[in-house]
Amino acid sequence: SYELTQPPSVSVSPGQTTRITCSGDALPNQYAYWYQQKPGQAPVVVIKKDSERPSGIPERFSGSSSGTTVTLTISGVQAEDEADYYCQSADSSGTYVVFGGGTKLTVL
Amino acid sequence: HLQLQESGPGLVKPSETLSLTCTVSGGSISSSNYYWGWIRQPPGKGLEWIGSIYYSGSTYYNPSLKSRVTISVDTSKNQFSLRLTSMTAADTAVYYCARHPTDSRQNLNDAVDIWGQGTMVTVSS
Repeated sequence: SYELTQPPSVSVSPGQTTRITCSGDALPNQYAYWYQQKPGQAPVVVIKKDSERPSGIPERFSGSSSGTTVTLTISGVQAEDEADYYCQSADSSGTYVVFGGGTKLTVL
Repeated sequence: HLQLQESGPGLVKPSETLSLTCTVSGGSISSSNYYWGWIRQPPGKGLEWIGSIYYSGSTYYNPSLKSRVTISVDTSKNQFSLRLTSMTAADTAVYYCARHPTDSRQNLNDAVDIWGQGTMVTVSS
């Protein structure tokens, strides 16, 4: 079955920039979405269609795509950004939605 | 504004069938612009898409769960439901119902824009 691969964890100091990657064979043909999830809460989408930032999401969140990898970049990380981040996409046929395994972002 | 609310048992015995319902309020489930789906998250683990349904009844399922899953829609009640058979401890999770947009081609891959609050389901005898 199709999988999206994310690093399990990343850590960053406040004010620094961090990048979280998500790799999958179908990503050149399928959009990716990024969610932020804090403990006890439902996920919130922070990036749509590879690089679109929904209204209400801070400008420090950005997304990009290159080949089979999409990247979530958080510039000027703040303590409140500490959370789990998940990518979402679909297989090449578009009939199977898949989530990455998630990346725990720790703000030091 | 539109809200989703899951309902169903919090405890299921091994080998039994889980039945959950999601009630849509503040809007119609019969919109051509959305899929209605189920997503789960085991304690301390990641998100897993279970499946989605269009108001017309078209369904898409996670291949790893397909043999055990049925998602149905009742437009008269503005509800959609999940049925998962042969439950095991591995199915213990928070189950979310969710809405995700689609386009004129009924593209399945779009971001969830509305989530239910989630309901914890534990599989135990």
